[in-house]
Amino acid sequence: NAGVTQTPKFQVLKTGQSMTLQCAQDMNHEYMSWYRQDPGMGLRLIHYSVGAGITDQGEVPNGYNVSRSTTEDFPLRLLSAAPSQTSVYFCASSYSSLDSRRYTFGSGTRLTVV
Amino acid sequence: GQNIDQPTEMTATEGAIVQINCTYQTSGFNGLFWYQQHAGEAPTFLSYNVLDGLEEKGRFSSFLSRSKGYSYLLLKELQMKDSASYLCAPYSGGYQKVTFGTGTKLQVIP
Repeated sequence: NAGVTQTPKFQVLKTGQSMTLQCAQDMNHEYMSWYRQDPGMGLRLIHYSVGAGITDQGEVPNGYNVSRSTTEDFPLRLLSAAPSQTSVYFCASSYSSLDSRRYTFGSGTRLTVV
Repeated sequence: GQNIDQPTEMTATEGAIVQINCTYQTSGFNGLFWYQQHAGEAPTFLSYNVLDGLEEKGRFSSFLSRSKGYSYLLLKELQMKDSASYLCAPYSGGYQKVTFGTGTKLQVIP
Protein backbone atom coordinates (compact mmCIF):
# COMPACT_ATOMS: atom_id res chain seq x y z
CA ASN A 1 0.00 0.00 0.00
CA ALA A 2 1.84 3.09 -1.26
CA GLY A 3 -0.47 5.71 0.29
CA VAL A 4 0.01 9.14 -1.30
CA THR A 5 2.75 9.49 -3.90
CA GLN A 6 4.08 12.85 -4.98
CA THR A 7 6.48 13.57 -7.81
CA PRO A 8 8.93 15.16 -8.24
CA LYS A 9 10.53 15.47 -4.79
CA PHE A 10 12.63 18.46 -5.82
CA GLN A 11 12.27 20.97 -8.64
CA VAL A 12 13.94 24.21 -9.69
CA LEU A 13 12.05 26.44 -12.11
CA LYS A 14 12.82 29.71 -13.80
CA THR A 15 10.37 32.57 -13.43
CA GLY A 16 7.62 32.22 -16.02
CA GLN A 17 8.00 28.49 -16.56
CA SER A 18 5.08 26.15 -16.05
CA MET A 19 5.02 22.70 -14.55
CA THR A 20 2.76 20.06 -13.03
CA LEU A 21 3.19 18.51 -9.61
CA GLN A 22 1.82 15.00 -9.57
CA CYS A 23 -0.16 13.39 -6.76
CA ALA A 24 -1.63 9.90 -6.70
CA GLN A 25 -3.25 7.89 -3.91
CA ASP A 26 -4.27 4.24 -3.80
CA MET A 27 -6.54 4.31 -0.74
CA ASN A 28 -9.75 5.10 -2.62
CA HIS A 29 -10.00 8.41 -0.78
CA GLU A 30 -12.65 10.74 -2.15
CA TYR A 31 -11.10 13.92 -0.76
CA MET A 32 -7.77 15.24 -2.01
CA SER A 33 -6.08 18.56 -1.40
CA TRP A 34 -2.94 20.56 -2.03
CA TYR A 35 -1.18 22.58 0.66
CA ARG A 36 1.88 24.75 0.61
CA GLN A 37 4.10 25.14 3.65
CA ASP A 38 6.24 28.21 4.19
CA PRO A 39 8.35 29.09 7.23
CA GLY A 40 6.25 30.78 9.91
CA MET A 41 3.05 30.39 7.87
CA GLY A 42 1.84 26.89 8.58
CA LEU A 43 0.13 24.74 5.98
CA ARG A 44 -2.15 26.72 3.67
CA LEU A 45 -4.80 25.14 1.46
CA ILE A 46 -4.42 25.82 -2.27
CA HIS A 47 -7.12 23.69 -3.93
CA TYR A 48 -9.15 20.68 -2.97
CA SER A 49 -11.39 18.07 -4.54
CA VAL A 50 -14.25 16.07 -3.05
CA GLY A 51 -14.36 13.57 -5.88
CA ALA A 52 -13.62 12.97 -9.54
CA GLY A 53 -14.70 15.92 -11.63
CA ILE A 54 -15.16 18.25 -8.65
CA THR A 55 -12.58 20.82 -7.54
CA ASP A 56 -12.68 24.04 -5.57
CA GLN A 57 -10.40 26.80 -4.35
CA GLY A 58 -8.80 26.97 -0.96
CA GLU A 59 -7.12 29.83 0.84
CA VAL A 60 -4.33 30.62 -1.66
CA PRO A 61 -5.42 29.48 -5.16
CA ASN A 62 -3.94 32.23 -7.33
CA GLY A 63 -1.35 31.00 -9.82
CA TYR A 64 -2.41 27.35 -9.55
CA ASN A 65 -4.82 25.09 -11.42
CA VAL A 66 -6.05 21.61 -10.60
CA SER A 67 -8.13 18.90 -12.19
CA ARG A 68 -9.51 15.58 -10.95
CA SER A 69 -10.28 13.22 -13.81
CA THR A 70 -9.92 10.08 -11.68
CA THR A 71 -10.29 9.24 -7.99
CA GLU A 72 -6.59 8.41 -7.76
CA ASP A 73 -4.92 11.46 -9.31
CA PHE A 74 -4.92 15.14 -8.41
CA PRO A 75 -2.25 17.11 -10.27
CA LEU A 76 -1.36 20.70 -9.42
CA ARG A 77 -0.33 22.99 -12.27
CA LEU A 78 1.75 26.12 -11.89
CA LEU A 79 0.80 28.30 -14.81
CA SER A 80 3.66 30.83 -14.79
CA ALA A 81 6.04 30.28 -11.90
CA ALA A 82 6.97 33.21 -9.67
CA PRO A 83 9.57 33.42 -6.87
CA SER A 84 6.68 33.77 -4.38
CA GLN A 85 5.73 30.19 -5.23
CA THR A 86 8.98 28.87 -3.79
CA SER A 87 7.68 26.53 -1.12
CA VAL A 88 7.16 22.96 -0.04
CA TYR A 89 4.00 21.49 -1.52
CA PHE A 90 2.08 18.67 0.11
CA CYS A 91 -0.72 16.63 -1.33
CA ALA A 92 -3.11 15.10 1.21
CA SER A 93 -6.07 12.77 0.97
CA SER A 94 -8.79 11.49 3.25
CA TYR A 95 -12.21 9.89 3.25
CA SER A 96 -14.95 12.40 2.61
CA SER A 97 -16.85 11.92 5.82
CA LEU A 98 -17.76 15.37 7.07
CA ASP A 99 -17.13 14.48 10.68
CA SER A 100 -13.48 13.83 10.13
CA ARG A 101 -10.63 15.12 8.08
CA ARG A 102 -7.77 12.76 9.01
CA TYR A 103 -5.22 13.33 6.29
CA THR A 104 -2.61 11.09 4.77
CA PHE A 105 0.10 13.32 3.34
CA GLY A 106 2.47 12.73 0.47
CA SER A 107 6.19 13.19 1.08
CA GLY A 108 6.21 16.66 -0.44
CA THR A 109 7.68 18.53 -3.39
CA ARG A 110 10.32 21.13 -2.67
CA LEU A 111 10.01 23.81 -5.33
CA THR A 112 12.42 26.67 -5.91
CA VAL A 113 11.60 29.40 -8.42
CA VAL A 114 14.57 31.52 -9.48
CA GLY B 1 -11.59 32.70 10.10
CA GLN B 2 -9.50 30.93 12.66
CA ASN B 3 -6.72 32.13 14.97
CA ILE B 4 -4.41 29.47 16.32
CA ASP B 5 -1.75 30.11 18.91
CA GLN B 6 0.92 27.64 19.95
CA PRO B 7 4.49 28.17 21.21
CA THR B 8 7.10 28.38 18.50
CA GLU B 9 9.75 26.27 20.20
CA MET B 10 10.16 24.07 23.26
CA THR B 11 13.03 22.07 24.70
CA ALA B 12 12.67 19.05 26.98
CA THR B 13 14.89 16.32 28.38
CA GLU B 14 14.86 12.71 27.29
CA GLY B 15 12.62 10.67 29.59
CA ALA B 16 10.67 13.70 30.78
CA ILE B 17 7.09 14.84 30.12
CA VAL B 18 6.24 17.85 27.96
CA GLN B 19 2.94 19.61 27.34
CA ILE B 20 2.36 21.56 24.13
CA ASN B 21 -0.51 24.01 24.37
CA CYS B 22 -2.76 25.31 21.63
CA THR B 23 -5.45 27.96 21.83
CA TYR B 24 -7.79 28.65 18.97
CA GLN B 25 -10.67 30.83 17.93
CA THR B 26 -12.96 29.48 15.24
CA SER B 27 -16.21 30.43 13.57
CA GLY B 28 -17.44 26.89 14.09
CA PHE B 29 -15.90 23.82 15.66
CA ASN B 30 -16.10 20.10 14.98
CA GLY B 31 -12.88 18.82 16.46
CA LEU B 32 -9.14 19.29 16.71
CA PHE B 33 -6.25 17.40 15.16
CA TRP B 34 -2.65 17.07 16.23
CA TYR B 35 -0.05 16.16 13.64
CA GLN B 36 3.65 15.40 14.04
CA GLN B 37 6.13 16.58 11.44
CA HIS B 38 9.79 15.63 11.47
CA ALA B 39 12.15 18.03 9.72
CA GLY B 40 12.03 17.57 5.97
CA GLU B 41 9.14 15.13 6.14
CA ALA B 42 5.38 15.16 5.76
CA PRO B 43 3.00 15.60 8.69
CA THR B 44 1.60 12.42 10.20
CA PHE B 45 -1.62 12.07 12.18
CA LEU B 46 -1.36 11.82 15.96
CA SER B 47 -4.82 12.44 17.40
CA TYR B 48 -8.29 13.82 16.85
CA ASN B 49 -10.44 15.17 19.70
CA VAL B 50 -14.14 15.82 19.25
CA LEU B 51 -15.38 15.87 22.84
CA ASP B 52 -13.97 17.55 25.94
CA GLY B 53 -11.47 15.59 27.93
CA LEU B 54 -8.32 13.58 27.62
CA GLU B 55 -7.65 10.96 24.98
CA GLU B 56 -4.70 8.70 25.65
CA LYS B 57 -2.79 6.79 23.03
CA GLY B 58 0.38 5.19 24.32
CA ARG B 59 2.95 7.83 25.26
CA PHE B 60 0.86 10.56 23.65
CA SER B 61 -2.30 12.11 25.08
CA SER B 62 -4.40 14.98 23.80
CA PHE B 63 -6.80 17.14 25.77
CA LEU B 64 -9.61 19.38 24.56
CA SER B 65 -11.74 22.05 26.20
CA ARG B 66 -14.21 23.38 23.67
CA SER B 67 -15.60 26.09 25.93
CA LYS B 68 -12.10 27.52 26.47
CA GLY B 69 -10.86 27.03 22.91
CA TYR B 70 -7.91 25.13 24.32
CA SER B 71 -6.08 21.92 23.63
CA TYR B 72 -2.82 20.38 24.66
CA LEU B 73 -0.66 17.50 23.54
CA LEU B 74 1.11 15.61 26.30
CA LEU B 75 4.16 13.54 25.49
CA LYS B 76 5.46 11.18 28.16
CA GLU B 77 8.77 9.33 28.47
CA LEU B 78 10.29 11.54 25.83
CA GLN B 79 12.59 9.93 23.32
CA MET B 80 15.08 11.57 20.99
CA LYS B 81 12.91 10.59 18.04
CA ASP B 82 10.14 12.83 19.42
CA SER B 83 12.14 15.85 18.27
CA ALA B 84 9.78 17.26 15.65
CA SER B 85 7.23 19.96 15.03
CA TYR B 86 3.73 19.44 16.41
CA LEU B 87 0.87 21.02 14.50
CA CYS B 88 -2.42 21.96 16.09
CA ALA B 89 -5.28 21.93 13.57
CA PRO B 90 -8.85 22.85 14.50
CA TYR B 91 -11.55 21.49 12.21
CA SER B 92 -14.71 23.51 11.78
CA GLY B 93 -16.50 21.20 9.42
CA GLY B 94 -16.94 21.16 5.67
CA TYR B 95 -14.51 20.32 2.97
CA GLN B 96 -11.91 22.99 3.54
CA LYS B 97 -12.14 23.86 7.18
CA VAL B 98 -9.03 22.25 8.67
CA THR B 99 -6.70 25.09 9.59
CA PHE B 100 -3.15 24.34 10.64
CA GLY B 101 -1.22 26.30 13.22
CA THR B 102 2.39 27.20 12.53
CA GLY B 103 3.56 24.38 14.79
CA THR B 104 5.67 23.95 17.89
CA LYS B 105 9.20 22.75 17.28
CA LEU B 106 10.17 20.41 20.09
CA GLN B 107 13.79 19.59 20.75
CA VAL B 108 14.52 16.64 23.00
CA ILE B 109 17.97 16.78 24.59
CA PRO B 110 19.89 14.00 26.38
